[in-house]
Amino acid sequence: QVQLVQSGAEVKKPGASVKVSCKASGYTFTSYDINWVRQATGQGLVWMGWMNPNSGDTGYAKSFQGRVTMTWNTSISTAYMELNSLRSEDTAVYYCVRVFDYLVDYWGQGTLVTVSS
Amino acid sequence: DIQMTQSPSSLSASVGDRVTITCRASQGISNYLAWYQQKPGKVPKLLIYAAFTLQSGVPSRFSGSGSGTDFTLTISSLQPEDVGTYYCQKYNSAPFTFGPGTKVDIK
Repeated sequence: QVQLVQSGAEVKKPGASVKVSCKASGYTFTSYDINWVRQATGQGLVWMGWMNPNSGDTGYAKSFQGRVTMTWNTSISTAYMELNSLRSEDTAVYYCVRVFDYLVDYWGQGTLVTVSS
Repeated sequence: DIQMTQSPSSLSASVGDRVTITCRASQGISNYLAWYQQKPGKVPKLLIYAAFTLQSGVPSRFSGSGSGTDFTLTISSLQPEDVGTYYCQKYNSAPFTFGPGTKVDIK
C-alpha cells in the first residue's frame, strides 16, 4: 500500500532552517509528483510547491520562493523540503503529498515545525 | 497568480439540510477544480475533481458544479459525519492554490 512517512517534529529558533523528509513506499517513486502543503493550527491549507522526481523539475509558490528548496533521493525514495530563514509565522504542520493527474491522492502524516525563541 | 475565495467561511446547518458552498477563482480555470474534505484531526480527503466528478467511495449526497470562475459544492442532505472543513483547489496550472476553507458543523 502507498505510504508517505515523514520525519518527526522539529523546534527551531527564528532565522534557522528546517529540513523535513518524506519517505515513499508502495509505488514507483519517480512515477508521481510530490507536492508540499502546510497548515498552521486552526488555519487553512497552503500550497508550497511541487517536485517531479522523474524530470527533475520543481516549482515553488511565490510566497516561499527564495526560502524553500525541494529535493529528493531516488535511491531511497525520499523527498525533502528545506525552509530557510524561519520566522514564527512558519510554525505549522508540513505535509508531503503524492499527486496523480494534478490531484492529491495520498498524504503524509504531517510534521509539526515550531519556530520559537 | 489566480486567487481562490470561498463563501461562506463557516456555516451551521441541521441534519438533513441541503448545504451549498461556493468557490470562486479570480480568473477562469475551466473545470480544473477539486474539493477536499478535512475532518477534525485528520488529513484532507479528495471528494470531487474536474469540478463535478465524484471520487470513488464518496457518498452520492455530495455533488459539484461550475466551470470557469464559479463553482459550487453541494451536500444534498447533511449528515453528522460531514462535519469538517471543505477546501477547493485549482489545478489547471501551478501554483495549485487552495481556497481558504469553509467550516461546516451541525446546528
